[in-house]
Amino acid sequence: AQSVTQLGSHVSVSEGALVLLRCNYSSSVPPYLFWYVQYPNQGLQLLLKYTSAATLVKGINGFEAEFKKSETSFHLTKPSAHMSDAAEYFCAVIFMNNNAGNMLTFGGGTRLMVKP
Amino acid sequence: NAGVTQTPKFRVLKTGQSMTLLCAQDMNHEYMYWYRQDPGMGLRLIHYSVGEGTTAKGEVPDGYNVSRLKKQNFLLGLESAAPSQTSVYFCASRGPANNQPQHFGDGTRLSIL
Repeated sequence: AQSVTQLGSHVSVSEGALVLLRCNYSSSVPPYLFWYVQYPNQGLQLLLKYTSAATLVKGINGFEAEFKKSETSFHLTKPSAHMSDAAEYFCAVIFMNNNAGNMLTFGGGTRLMVKP
Repeated sequence: NAGVTQTPKFRVLKTGQSMTLLCAQDMNHEYMYWYRQDPGMGLRLIHYSVGEGTTAKGEVPDGYNVSRLKKQNFLLGLESAAPSQTSVYFCASRGPANNQPQHFGDGTRLSIL
């Protein structure tokens, strides 16, 4: 079955440190990939997306992600964490085969905590 | 620019009661989705619609029904609420192209006692 895995349900970094949130998917066909952020008591906001153009994608708030087909990964990074980055992050995938509604499949989410 | 609006924001029900959650979008989107969010499980798709008058089952459709009588509205119904349906429900909409992102509402927190 096609799936999305986010390694680490909780990640803690110090302010100013590198942020690395991992996402792997299971599919032989390159999908469309998205990262969303959710702040407390809010809906999901799009950070960035990969849709078969450049493999390094830049998003909002200084985040970027790199699509690596050989590793079936789409890890999210930010060079320097800010306190305002504390939130939950979701990797989501549109698998290309047998997906009539272009449905998103979500990873379990990673809660990012930023220490002062 | 309202985007996707969900009503109500909070609701507490007793087991066996029924209710309807309303989702409205003002972006003229064809695709609309209902998800539930539970801790550690991300978002799971309940039902979706690819256009006015059409609906289809998602990953976890049991116990829910939906209707899309107007393009801008997507209703999610619980006929007989159960404690297992305690969750946060999100509605989303999307334009016609496959590579377009989904736009989410702020969610409805539903508790079933």
